[in-house]
Amino acid sequence: QVQLVESGGGVVQPGRSLRLSCAASGFTFNSFAMHWVRQAPGKGLEWVAVMSYDGSTKYYADSVKGRVTVSRDNSKNTLDLEVSSLRDEDTGVYYCARDSDYHVTAGYKDYWGQGTQVIVSS
Amino acid sequence: QSVLTQPPSASGAPGQRVTISCSGSSSNIGRKTVNWYQQLPGTAPKLLLYSDNQRPSGVPDRFSGSKSGTSASLAVSGLQSEDEADYYCATWDDSLSAWVFGGGTRLTVL
Repeated sequence: QVQLVESGGGVVQPGRSLRLSCAASGFTFNSFAMHWVRQAPGKGLEWVAVMSYDGSTKYYADSVKGRVTVSRDNSKNTLDLEVSSLRDEDTGVYYCARDSDYHVTAGYKDYWGQGTQVIVSS
Repeated sequence: QSVLTQPPSASGAPGQRVTISCSGSSSNIGRKTVNWYQQLPGTAPKLLLYSDNQRPSGVPDRFSGSKSGTSASLAVSGLQSEDEADYYCATWDDSLSAWVFGGGTRLTVL
């Protein structure tokens, strides 16, 4: 069965960087685009980034562009998200989600991980 | 301010039918299919409907979707207490080159 397990969250000081990871199993990882979606405490879902099946195409939300880098290692079935210059508004739960398609704009997020909590605080 | 507009709340009595709207524009809903997600309290989101009105395996047929122009709707018929959750619409926006979510609608079963 499809499993997505996020890790790397924690308490981080403003201005520092953090690397989140998502370990995928139960499907052919290199055939699907992958997303990061976050949710601030008590708020709605906010899409963060997407990467195509082969890593050749990526898109970012305007709110994080320039501070976030998404990457994947298809040999290890992992998806990463590096967030730099962390701000208070980056606090929240970060989910990785599988796209139903290999392309980045046409599918839907059919499987989600349980999320990893990031708290930006001094 | 979300690109897709949803009402913050909706409610209905058990057994009733409730609809949740999702309003967008020509650069998103007007040209792309809409997906809906359900988030039960304290859990990760779950795909509820895709491609405007398709149900993944395991989703009851009490949930249905429709789209017209730049708006989409989620209908829940035969409301049950376990339907209490937050519901989000989402689609790709060609102008922003980004995926966008609605602000979410909290459904309460009275």
